[in-house]
Amino acid sequence: NAGVTQTPKFQVLKTGQSMTLQCAQDMNHEYMSWYRQDPGMGLRLIHYSVGAGITDQGEVPNGYNVSRSTTEDFPLRLLSAAPSQTSVYFCASSLEGSGANVLTFGAGSRLTVL
Amino acid sequence: AQTVTQSQPEMSVQEAETVTLSCTYDTSESDYYLFWYKQPPSRQMILVIRQEAYKQQNATENRFSVNFQKAAKSFSLKISDSQLGDAAMYFCAYSGGNNNDMRFGAGTRLTVKP
Repeated sequence: NAGVTQTPKFQVLKTGQSMTLQCAQDMNHEYMSWYRQDPGMGLRLIHYSVGAGITDQGEVPNGYNVSRSTTEDFPLRLLSAAPSQTSVYFCASSLEGSGANVLTFGAGSRLTVL
Repeated sequence: AQTVTQSQPEMSVQEAETVTLSCTYDTSESDYYLFWYKQPPSRQMILVIRQEAYKQQNATENRFSVNFQKAAKSFSLKISDSQLGDAAMYFCAYSGGNNNDMRFGAGTRLTVKP
């Protein structure tokens, strides 16, 4: 099925551990992004990419790294997890990066940092 | 930076009745897009409706319609003939015409009573 695939769906980490959240889309979308969702705060943009080799920071980028080596994949890396990074993470993509394009979201990844 | 405010953390409606969810936003741009997304318990984000700021006509999708008041920077969502399946978190979102940063409100949790 076409869409945005995120893995893993659930993950528990200890403080200081590293991990990568994977995101892949098969719709040939140029724009991909990562959001985190926290209670009472909606979704906040972490990083985004407008094409392979191009990434930029969003509203809350600290503690996260991204890269975009292919059009299909946009992994999010936590180099040293902190309890403040406990959240639900969503990957989203659209055809292009302008506001005119509707985002397609993945199913989310729930991360708990102990 | 643009901000999106949803002043109703929770709302409830009787099945088959109508409910309106409020959203206000702050921007200095003239070209932008507004969205309502639905997040059911499955966590999947689903687009409900989209409005282009340059269009005066309010967007409508079946039982869902918006009241877009550009001067007042207000973008409310009306759900008519509410169904049990409408129960979800609803997020209002703003995106500028030429940027890649979609801003979300904190969300409104809608309960539908049978």
